[in-house]
Amino acid sequence: DGGITQSPKYLFRKEGQNVTLSCEQNLNHDAMYWYRQDPGQGLRLIYYSQIVNDFQKGDIAEGYSVSREKKESFPLTVTSAQKNPTAFYLCASSMGGTSAYTDTQYFGPGTRLTVL
Amino acid sequence: AQKVTQAQTEISVVEKEDVTLDCVYETRDTTYYLFWYKQPPSGELVFLIRRNSFDEQNEISGRYSWNFQKSTSSFNFTITASQVVDSAVYFCALSEPATSGTYKYIFGTGTRLKVLA
Repeated sequence: DGGITQSPKYLFRKEGQNVTLSCEQNLNHDAMYWYRQDPGQGLRLIYYSQIVNDFQKGDIAEGYSVSREKKESFPLTVTSAQKNPTAFYLCASSMGGTSAYTDTQYFGPGTRLTVL
Repeated sequence: AQKVTQAQTEISVVEKEDVTLDCVYETRDTTYYLFWYKQPPSGELVFLIRRNSFDEQNEISGRYSWNFQKSTSSFNFTITASQVVDSAVYFCALSEPATSGTYKYIFGTGTRLKVLA
């Protein structure tokens, strides 16, 4: 089955620790995205990547880092510099290309991160 | 500036009622795309529809229908004969090209729909 997987589903972190959230897709999509969702709010873009070995900051990149070494994978690291990391994190992918704004983004099941 | 407004925070209806979810957007561009997604309690966003700014035809898919009106910058979503399984948070989103060659979705804050049996 083609799709996007995220792991783990639930993640608990102690203050001061870095954690990495996994996102894998087998849709052969060029573009991948990370969003953060807080209760009662829409999704906010953290980082996105339109091609392997390239990524750009979104609206709320501070305290986060990413890598895009493979087309299929776009892991997100939540660093200790992120002051309020408790949230629901969603990964998405789309075909990408020069008219990427026309794309439909497809989402993974999400990871719920809680800082203890 | 781009903006998507979903003024209805939460709506409750009784099963079999029709319900309309409102979406109003702001954009400077003449070329843009609009989307609706459903987020059930499991959390995953499920794609429902994509509409480009040049296509103002209404669309019907089973019990779902969408009314796109550029004159009022609205893209409203109607569920006919609602069912308990329709209970979810629904998001409207806008995408338009950016001068830098990049782009992003602008999401509304979502409308929580509760369908009561």
